[in-house]
Amino acid sequence: DIVLTQSPATLSVSPGESATVSCRASQSISINLAWYQQKPGQAPRLLISSASTRATGVPARFSGSGSGTEFTLTISSLQSQDLAIYHCHQYDAWPHTFGQGTKLDLK
Amino acid sequence: EVQLVQSGAVVKKPGESLTISCKTSGYSFSNYWIGWVRQRPGKGLEWMVILYPYDSDTRYSPSFQGQVTISADQSISTAFLHWTSLKASDTAVYYCARPSVGGFDFVYWGQGTLVTVSS
Repeated sequence: DIVLTQSPATLSVSPGESATVSCRASQSISINLAWYQQKPGQAPRLLISSASTRATGVPARFSGSGSGTEFTLTISSLQSQDLAIYHCHQYDAWPHTFGQGTKLDLK
Repeated sequence: EVQLVQSGAVVKKPGESLTISCKTSGYSFSNYWIGWVRQRPGKGLEWMVILYPYDSDTRYSPSFQGQVTISADQSISTAFLHWTSLKASDTAVYYCARPSVGGFDFVYWGQGTLVTVSS
């Protein structure tokens, strides 16, 4: 299975700051990577697909980059409603897999 | 509007069987993959299995192969996840999810079904 390793596990940020979450794949997955946001008690919400394409309705302050084995989710001008857990997901090879998640909380 | 509506929370005993459901609407059920994702309490997401209803093409994660069975009833646009013998370690929220057109990123999600297995 392809292992996705997210870092950091927890990221403490202040409103207005930028936050960067990394996702490293154990082998190349081209750009077949998605990012999701999950708030407590809610289902995940798709933010980014194909490594860098924002999903419908996702604010421009969310951006994704990377290819191969190294990927990044950047949230600029962080807002309080962005505090959540962020998950990466590879769909390049079966079985598809998720990273372990990164929790964004308030500094 | 695409909707995925899952069955309600259940409490079961170890060894019991269970089927949970995911009723879809707003799109052609047969022509899109549909998958299941597990989330144990306080943990991350785990990709379990995905099925293409049109031809029943199914892909399991090895971690879940033989532990659960996915199925679908095209006549009622509903996907199912079945256990024959539950364990305490199956306690989790289970989400059904539908990928995008031509892709496997999960655009649409059900609300989740909490399965609690306890003696």
